[in-house]
Amino acid sequence: DIQMTQSPSTLSASVGDRVTITCRASQSISSWLAWYQQEPGKAPKFLIYKASSLESGVPSRFSGSGSGTEFTLTISSLQPDDFATYYCQQYNSNPLTFGGGTKVEIK
Amino acid sequence: QVQLQESGPGLVKPSETLSLTCTVSAGSINSHYWSWVRQPPGKGLEWIGYIYYSGSTNYSPSLKSRVTISIDTSKNQFSLRLSSVTTADTAVYYCTRGTRGGTTPFDYWGQGALVTVSS
Repeated sequence: DIQMTQSPSTLSASVGDRVTITCRASQSISSWLAWYQQEPGKAPKFLIYKASSLESGVPSRFSGSGSGTEFTLTISSLQPDDFATYYCQQYNSNPLTFGGGTKVEIK
Repeated sequence: QVQLQESGPGLVKPSETLSLTCTVSAGSINSHYWSWVRQPPGKGLEWIGYIYYSGSTNYSPSLKSRVTISIDTSKNQFSLRLSSVTTADTAVYYCTRGTRGGTTPFDYWGQGALVTVSS
Protein backbone atom coordinates (compact mmCIF):
# COMPACT_ATOMS: atom_id res chain seq x y z
CA ASP A 1 0.00 0.00 0.00
CA ILE A 2 1.13 3.57 -0.65
CA GLN A 3 1.35 5.55 2.59
CA MET A 4 0.40 9.22 2.51
CA THR A 5 1.85 11.52 5.17
CA GLN A 6 0.58 15.05 5.71
CA SER A 7 2.25 17.86 7.61
CA PRO A 8 1.58 19.65 9.76
CA SER A 9 -1.26 17.82 11.47
CA THR A 10 -2.56 21.13 12.81
CA LEU A 11 -1.94 24.62 11.56
CA SER A 12 -2.99 27.89 13.24
CA ALA A 13 -3.51 30.84 10.94
CA SER A 14 -5.39 34.10 10.56
CA VAL A 15 -7.75 35.35 7.90
CA GLY A 16 -5.69 36.65 5.00
CA ASP A 17 -2.69 34.40 5.69
CA ARG A 18 -1.04 32.31 3.02
CA VAL A 19 -1.18 28.67 4.07
CA THR A 20 0.73 25.66 2.75
CA ILE A 21 0.06 22.01 3.54
CA THR A 22 2.44 19.23 2.52
CA CYS A 23 1.60 15.68 1.50
CA ARG A 24 4.27 13.03 0.93
CA ALA A 25 3.80 9.63 -0.71
CA SER A 26 5.82 6.57 0.31
CA GLN A 27 6.56 5.94 -3.40
CA SER A 28 6.10 7.85 -6.61
CA ILE A 29 2.50 8.47 -7.61
CA SER A 30 3.28 10.71 -10.62
CA SER A 31 0.59 13.41 -10.40
CA TRP A 32 -2.23 11.15 -9.29
CA LEU A 33 -3.10 13.16 -6.21
CA ALA A 34 -6.33 14.77 -5.02
CA TRP A 35 -7.13 17.20 -2.21
CA TYR A 36 -10.32 17.47 -0.17
CA GLN A 37 -11.69 19.92 2.38
CA GLN A 38 -13.82 18.65 5.25
CA GLU A 39 -15.79 20.88 7.59
CA PRO A 40 -16.92 19.43 10.95
CA GLY A 41 -19.90 17.10 10.58
CA LYS A 42 -19.86 17.26 6.78
CA ALA A 43 -18.69 15.09 3.94
CA PRO A 44 -15.36 15.91 2.30
CA LYS A 45 -15.49 18.33 -0.61
CA PHE A 46 -13.40 17.65 -3.72
CA LEU A 47 -10.96 20.50 -4.40
CA ILE A 48 -8.08 19.46 -6.64
CA TYR A 49 -7.21 16.51 -8.89
CA LYS A 50 -4.12 15.48 -10.78
CA ALA A 51 -2.07 17.40 -8.21
CA SER A 52 -2.81 20.86 -9.59
CA SER A 53 -6.12 20.90 -11.48
CA LEU A 54 -8.85 22.84 -9.73
CA GLU A 55 -12.28 21.21 -9.60
CA SER A 56 -15.04 23.32 -11.12
CA GLY A 57 -16.43 25.89 -8.69
CA VAL A 58 -13.46 25.82 -6.31
CA PRO A 59 -12.11 29.33 -5.54
CA SER A 60 -8.88 30.26 -7.26
CA ARG A 61 -7.17 30.99 -3.94
CA PHE A 62 -6.68 27.21 -3.71
CA SER A 63 -3.81 25.75 -5.67
CA GLY A 64 -1.90 22.51 -5.75
CA SER A 65 1.55 21.55 -6.94
CA GLY A 66 4.04 18.71 -6.94
CA SER A 67 4.70 15.38 -8.54
CA GLY A 68 6.37 12.11 -7.67
CA THR A 69 6.34 11.91 -3.89
CA GLU A 70 5.96 15.48 -2.65
CA PHE A 71 2.91 17.68 -3.03
CA THR A 72 1.55 20.91 -1.60
CA LEU A 73 -1.81 22.55 -1.20
CA THR A 74 -1.69 26.33 -0.90
CA ILE A 75 -4.42 28.73 0.12
CA SER A 76 -3.24 32.15 -1.01
CA SER A 77 -5.39 34.23 1.34
CA LEU A 78 -7.23 32.32 4.04
CA GLN A 79 -10.94 33.06 4.29
CA PRO A 80 -13.33 32.27 7.18
CA ASP A 81 -14.87 29.35 5.22
CA ASP A 82 -11.42 27.77 4.84
CA PHE A 83 -11.02 26.78 8.48
CA ALA A 84 -11.44 23.03 8.07
CA THR A 85 -9.49 19.80 7.78
CA TYR A 86 -7.73 18.99 4.51
CA TYR A 87 -6.91 15.53 3.19
CA CYS A 88 -4.77 14.36 0.32
CA GLN A 89 -5.51 11.12 -1.53
CA GLN A 90 -3.42 9.11 -3.95
CA TYR A 91 -5.08 7.37 -6.85
CA ASN A 92 -2.01 5.99 -8.55
CA SER A 93 -2.84 2.47 -7.44
CA ASN A 94 -5.21 0.39 -5.34
CA PRO A 95 -5.82 0.44 -2.49
CA LEU A 96 -6.67 4.12 -2.67
CA THR A 97 -5.22 5.83 0.38
CA PHE A 98 -5.59 9.14 2.18
CA GLY A 99 -3.28 11.27 4.25
CA GLY A 100 -4.02 11.67 7.95
CA GLY A 101 -5.39 15.19 7.53
CA THR A 102 -4.32 18.73 8.36
CA LYS A 103 -6.61 20.81 10.54
CA VAL A 104 -6.47 24.54 9.80
CA GLU A 105 -7.46 26.43 12.93
CA ILE A 106 -8.11 30.06 13.69
CA LYS A 107 -5.09 31.68 15.32
CA GLN B 1 -26.31 17.70 -9.82
CA VAL B 2 -25.73 14.11 -8.75
CA GLN B 3 -26.85 13.33 -5.21
CA LEU B 4 -25.99 10.33 -3.07
CA GLN B 5 -27.84 9.27 0.07
CA GLU B 6 -26.83 6.52 2.48
CA SER B 7 -29.42 4.52 4.40
CA GLY B 8 -29.34 1.65 6.84
CA PRO B 9 -29.22 0.75 10.54
CA GLY B 10 -27.26 3.08 12.78
CA LEU B 11 -26.54 0.40 15.36
CA VAL B 12 -25.08 -3.05 14.75
CA LYS B 13 -24.09 -5.69 17.29
CA PRO B 14 -20.56 -7.09 17.39
CA SER B 15 -20.05 -10.15 15.14
CA GLU B 16 -23.07 -9.22 13.03
CA THR B 17 -23.18 -7.77 9.51
CA LEU B 18 -23.32 -4.09 8.72
CA SER B 19 -25.51 -3.25 5.72
CA LEU B 20 -25.85 0.10 4.02
CA THR B 21 -27.43 1.22 0.76
CA CYS B 22 -26.60 4.27 -1.31
CA THR B 23 -29.25 5.76 -3.57
CA VAL B 24 -28.02 7.82 -6.51
CA SER B 25 -30.31 10.53 -7.82
CA ALA B 26 -30.12 13.14 -10.58
CA GLY B 27 -27.75 10.91 -12.46
CA SER B 28 -27.40 7.38 -13.77
CA ILE B 29 -25.53 4.70 -11.92
CA ASN B 30 -24.73 3.16 -15.32
CA SER B 31 -21.40 4.94 -15.55
CA HIS B 32 -18.55 5.79 -13.23
CA TYR B 33 -17.26 3.72 -10.38
CA TRP B 34 -19.00 3.85 -7.02
CA SER B 35 -17.08 3.56 -3.76
CA TRP B 36 -17.55 3.34 -0.04
CA VAL B 37 -15.26 5.34 2.25
CA ARG B 38 -15.40 5.35 6.04
CA GLN B 39 -14.19 7.63 8.82
CA PRO B 40 -13.98 6.52 12.46
CA PRO B 41 -14.94 9.27 14.91
CA GLY B 42 -12.20 11.87 15.10
CA LYS B 43 -9.99 10.02 12.62
CA GLY B 44 -9.08 10.03 8.94
CA LEU B 45 -10.59 8.56 5.80
CA GLU B 46 -10.34 4.94 4.70
CA TRP B 47 -11.35 3.60 1.29
CA ILE B 48 -13.32 0.35 1.52
CA GLY B 49 -13.89 -0.61 -2.10
CA TYR B 50 -15.62 0.18 -5.37
CA ILE B 51 -18.04 -1.31 -7.85
CA TYR B 52 -18.72 -0.60 -11.52
CA TYR B 53 -22.20 -0.84 -13.00
CA SER B 54 -21.14 -4.06 -14.71
CA GLY B 55 -20.69 -5.56 -11.26
CA SER B 56 -16.90 -5.69 -11.22
CA THR B 57 -15.46 -4.86 -7.81
CA ASN B 58 -12.21 -4.02 -6.06
CA TYR B 59 -11.78 -4.05 -2.30
CA SER B 60 -9.20 -2.78 0.14
CA PRO B 61 -6.98 -5.73 1.11
CA SER B 62 -7.40 -4.88 4.80
CA LEU B 63 -11.17 -5.45 4.58
CA LYS B 64 -11.46 -7.77 1.59
CA SER B 65 -12.32 -10.88 3.59
CA ARG B 66 -15.34 -9.19 5.17
CA VAL B 67 -16.65 -6.84 2.47
CA THR B 68 -19.19 -7.24 -0.29
CA ILE B 69 -20.29 -4.36 -2.50
CA SER B 70 -23.20 -4.94 -4.85
CA ILE B 71 -25.20 -2.87 -7.31
CA ASP B 72 -28.83 -2.70 -8.43
CA THR B 73 -28.93 -0.63 -11.60
CA SER B 74 -32.74 -0.86 -11.82
CA LYS B 75 -32.99 1.03 -8.54
CA ASN B 76 -29.95 3.27 -9.06
CA GLN B 77 -28.51 1.89 -5.83
CA PHE B 78 -25.36 0.22 -4.61
CA SER B 79 -24.81 -1.46 -1.28
CA LEU B 80 -22.19 -2.35 1.29
CA ARG B 81 -22.10 -5.39 3.51
CA LEU B 82 -19.39 -5.75 6.15
CA SER B 83 -19.45 -8.96 8.11
CA SER B 84 -18.17 -9.92 11.57
CA VAL B 85 -18.05 -6.32 12.75
CA THR B 86 -16.24 -5.17 15.87
CA THR B 87 -16.16 -1.86 17.68
CA ALA B 88 -13.28 -0.86 15.37
CA ASP B 89 -15.81 -0.71 12.53
CA THR B 90 -17.70 2.13 14.22
CA ALA B 91 -17.49 4.98 11.75
CA VAL B 92 -19.29 7.38 9.46
CA TYR B 93 -19.72 5.54 6.17
CA TYR B 94 -19.79 7.61 2.98
CA CYS B 95 -20.85 6.50 -0.47
CA THR B 96 -18.99 8.30 -3.24
CA ARG B 97 -18.67 8.58 -7.01
CA GLY B 98 -15.35 8.17 -8.75
CA THR B 99 -14.60 10.83 -11.33
CA ARG B 100 -13.43 8.39 -13.99
CA GLY B 101 -12.23 4.84 -13.81
CA GLY B 102 -11.73 2.76 -10.72
CA THR B 103 -8.49 4.30 -9.52
CA THR B 104 -9.82 7.77 -9.19
CA PRO B 105 -10.66 10.62 -6.83
CA PHE B 106 -14.21 11.15 -5.61
CA ASP B 107 -16.22 14.11 -6.85
CA TYR B 108 -19.57 13.43 -5.21
CA TRP B 109 -20.16 12.23 -1.66
CA GLY B 110 -23.21 11.29 0.34
CA GLN B 111 -23.81 13.09 3.62
CA GLY B 112 -22.55 10.06 5.54
CA ALA B 113 -24.18 7.50 7.82
CA LEU B 114 -22.91 6.93 11.33
CA VAL B 115 -22.83 3.24 12.18
CA THR B 116 -22.09 2.31 15.78
CA VAL B 117 -21.04 -1.22 16.67
CA SER B 118 -22.15 -1.97 20.18
CA SER B 119 -23.97 -4.64 22.13
